Amino acid sequence: QLQLQESGPGLVKPSETLSLTCTVSGGSISIATYYWGWIRQPPGKGLEWIGNIYYSGTTHYNVSLKSRVTISVDTSKNQFSLRLTSVTAADTATYFCARLRPGSQFLYWFDPWGQGSLVTVSS
Amino acid sequence: QLVLTQSPSASASLGASVKITCTLSSGHSNYPIAWHQHQPQKGPRYLIKINSDGSHSKGDGIPDRFSGSSSGAERYLTISGLQSDDEADYYCQTWVAANVVFGGGTKLTVL
Repeated sequence: QLQLQESGPGLVKPSETLSLTCTVSGGSISIATYYWGWIRQPPGKGLEWIGNIYYSGTTHYNVSLKSRVTISVDTSKNQFSLRLTSVTAADTATYFCARLRPGSQFLYWFDPWGQGSLVTVSS
Repeated sequence: QLVLTQSPSASASLGASVKITCTLSSGHSNYPIAWHQHQPQKGPRYLIKINSDGSHSKGDGIPDRFSGSSSGAERYLTISGLQSDDEADYYCQTWVAANVVFGGGTKLTVL
């Protein structure tokens, strides 16, 4: 059974860089079928898509975050990572990683999801 | 630009049924969507995928109480025999040119 687990610091100072890693177990990240994604949820708000990466390294980012986001993949460790630069309090959120799987009518959807990692931006 | 619209809240009694709606923006009525359930303090869970023709497929282990349907630009999630554990936020999600779009979420209260 595929499982994803986020890890990284729970506290980041304003203007610094947020870094999180998603470790995939129970399956390979290198399977050509899937994308891998990051999503966040600020306190009291809805889900916000951050970006996706393919095992080859091809990425797609939310245009609202694109200037600050980098997603990378390490197939040797079966992990993918998120870097968000110049963070502010508005970046405080629970960050989720998830696999994107394809289906009919060209839809990709998230399944499964990680448990989430709360990151607080504060000095 | 594709937008998914959801009502912010819904409520129904224990044991009853509830229908949650996700509306696709104009010009995008043929897009499929997926529904996800997000319970407090847990990671979200994929429930069901709904195509424009109403055909659907559920995630592994999702009970028969959860079903999906479609009409025009609307995609529905119906939960029957409501249980207290169904109290959660429900999000619809779709995919456009390798970008993900989420609806704003519907908070379901089980009375």
